[in-house]
Parts: sequence; structure tokens; C-alpha cells
Amino acid sequence: DTGVSQDPRHKITKRGQNVTFRCDPISEHNRLYWYRQTLGQGPEFLTYFQNEAQLEKSRLLSDRFSAERPKGSFSTLEIQRTEQGDSAMYLCASSSRLDTEDTEAFFGQGTRLTVV
Amino acid sequence: AQTVTQSQPEMSVQEAETVTLSCTYDTSESDYYLFWYKQPPSRQMILVIRQEAYKQQNATENRFSVNFQKAAKSFSLKISDSQLGDAAMYFCAYRSFGAGSYQLTFGKGTKLSVIP
Repeated sequence: DTGVSQDPRHKITKRGQNVTFRCDPISEHNRLYWYRQTLGQGPEFLTYFQNEAQLEKSRLLSDRFSAERPKGSFSTLEIQRTEQGDSAMYLCASSSRLDTEDTEAFFGQGTRLTVV
Repeated sequence: AQTVTQSQPEMSVQEAETVTLSCTYDTSESDYYLFWYKQPPSRQMILVIRQEAYKQQNATENRFSVNFQKAAKSFSLKISDSQLGDAAMYFCAYRSFGAGSYQLTFGKGTKLSVIP
């Protein structure tokens, strides 16, 4: 296992189109997170899954955004009717729990979305 | 809500010298985790060092160490013997300790340049 994998790495789309990103976490990790990072900012939390259950959603996650994690494995993040303000790097991370300690969050390389 | 502030947008250090990156945070919680993450250009974010708030001893990882001042809510990162590979964005991050609170809150980052 080589870590958290995200696909695609880059996506250019026209305003109003729908886009979908995929994240494959580290295989034994049951927790998966999506973050958004805009230029000059730190990552901002979007949503969190534990196994297949989506347990937390940020107010940043408008109704145009939807995330799924079927069967608790890979996850997808879909943005409908994209807007220029959606242009950002979308980061996925995963973590797990070992004994009584939570592991660190391991990040993927991100998907850079440009809406034109 | 917790906030993380990194007041130095950019820093530079001469190779082999020592540099300290600053981070302050605001929280009403007594137990939490603090992290420093490194994000090299076009590469994934990786954990540099982690500190549990209940531990009085400052964390160290090889050339990286922290100065954790809980009362002052300060968490600075010291990089000793700086190397060219240390050049990156550095993000300070906070995570609550309680079960179910796994999201990270990041600062805006500090861009570190290493001068040969």
C-alpha cells in the first residue's frame, strides 16, 4: 500500500458542469476526511466518514456537494453545477485507531480543480 | 470553535542554521492535539511532529522540536541544521481530544525557504 491515492490529480471544467473526485485511503484505515485548500490558505475541513457512515459535515459543504463512501472503502466527492469559487485543491486524508491511540491523518496529493 | 494563527507568511533560513516557526491557537478545551504538517511544492502533506496537550514534555523528532506553552496557547516549531529539503509550506493544526472529533483545524501556513 503506497498511501492515500486521489484521482484525478487535475481537473479543468466549465462553470455549471458536474465533477466527481475519487479517494482511495490506506487500506486498513476506517476514517476518511475531505478538505478543501484554496491558494494561500490552510486546508479547511469538509466532511468525515467512519467506515461508510458520514458523521460530520462542515457548513462549507453546500447542497451542491455530496460525498459517499460505499462499503467503507474508497470515497467520492461530487460537486454539481460548479462555480468559479469552487476552484481549489481538494485533499483527502485517512486515519485509524490503534489500541487507544488515533493515528495521524495521512494525506493524498490532492485533486486540483479549476472552474473556467 | 478553535482557531489557529500563523503570523509569519514567509520565513527564510540559511542552510545548516536554525529557524523557528510560530503558531498560536485559541480553544476552551483542556485536552487536544497539536500538529505541524509539511507540504512541499506539488507534493502531499506529511506529518512533521505531534504534541498531546496533556504531556508536559515537548515533542522532538530528529532535527524538529516544538516549544509547547499551554498557558500561552503557543506551539512553535524549531528546525535545526536546516536542509534544502526542508523548504516547504508548514501548517500548524489543532485537533480536539474527544471521541468523534477528528477534524483538523489548520493555520494559513508559513512558507519556508532554505538558502544554500
